[in-house]
Amino acid sequence: GAVVSQHPSWVICKSGTSVKIECRSLDFQATTMFWYRQFPKQSLMLMATSNEGSKATYEQGVEKDKFLINHASLTLSTLTVTSAHPEDSSFYICSANRLRDMHTGELFFGEGSRLTVL
Amino acid sequence: GNSVTQMEGPVTLSEEAFLTINCTYTATGYPSLFWYVQYPGEGLQLLLKATKADDKGSNKGFEATYRKETTSFHLEKGSVQVSDSAVYFCALSDPQGGSEKLVFGKGTKLTVNP
Repeated sequence: GAVVSQHPSWVICKSGTSVKIECRSLDFQATTMFWYRQFPKQSLMLMATSNEGSKATYEQGVEKDKFLINHASLTLSTLTVTSAHPEDSSFYICSANRLRDMHTGELFFGEGSRLTVL
Repeated sequence: GNSVTQMEGPVTLSEEAFLTINCTYTATGYPSLFWYVQYPGEGLQLLLKATKADDKGSNKGFEATYRKETTSFHLEKGSVQVSDSAVYFCALSDPQGGSEKLVFGKGTKLTVNP
């Protein structure tokens, strides 16, 4: 199967600092990676779509200067929460698609990263 | 636009009970349909999928049939176990329609008691 790994799985930081979360596809090349934020009571919000070597496409209402996304290679995308504040505390999940599954749209998800900002 | 509506939870069942979680969708093209499961503290895992009308996806005793006439993809299991306790998400993807994004329902939390 296709494996997507996120790191760190949980992080605690002080308000005003920046935090970087990595998302790696371990055994396949991901043409596109997606970043989600999961709020309490489960709902998933798509934050942005990133393609290797190009700028991420952000969903409406997501601050691109706040949530920096870099997709430097076909196996790695990073999300940096800049100048984090307590309201940024959340569960962030990445996902990736695989070339051979593009006709179905199936995505493979990371384990998620729990961010707590004090 | 594309959207997914799924049954709101939480759902609480006793072990060996029958489970149905309803899911209906709206799509402009011919979407693929998915059920993802999220166990406590974890990311999402694909449970099953169906890529065209009348397809039945199945895995771990769960089943869902792609019904184009009713635009539904209800999840069923004949006999749930405590280990099935999780949040279940219905989702669609419509890559042929020009969007590779997954559109999720709001999730349904299932708790199975022994």
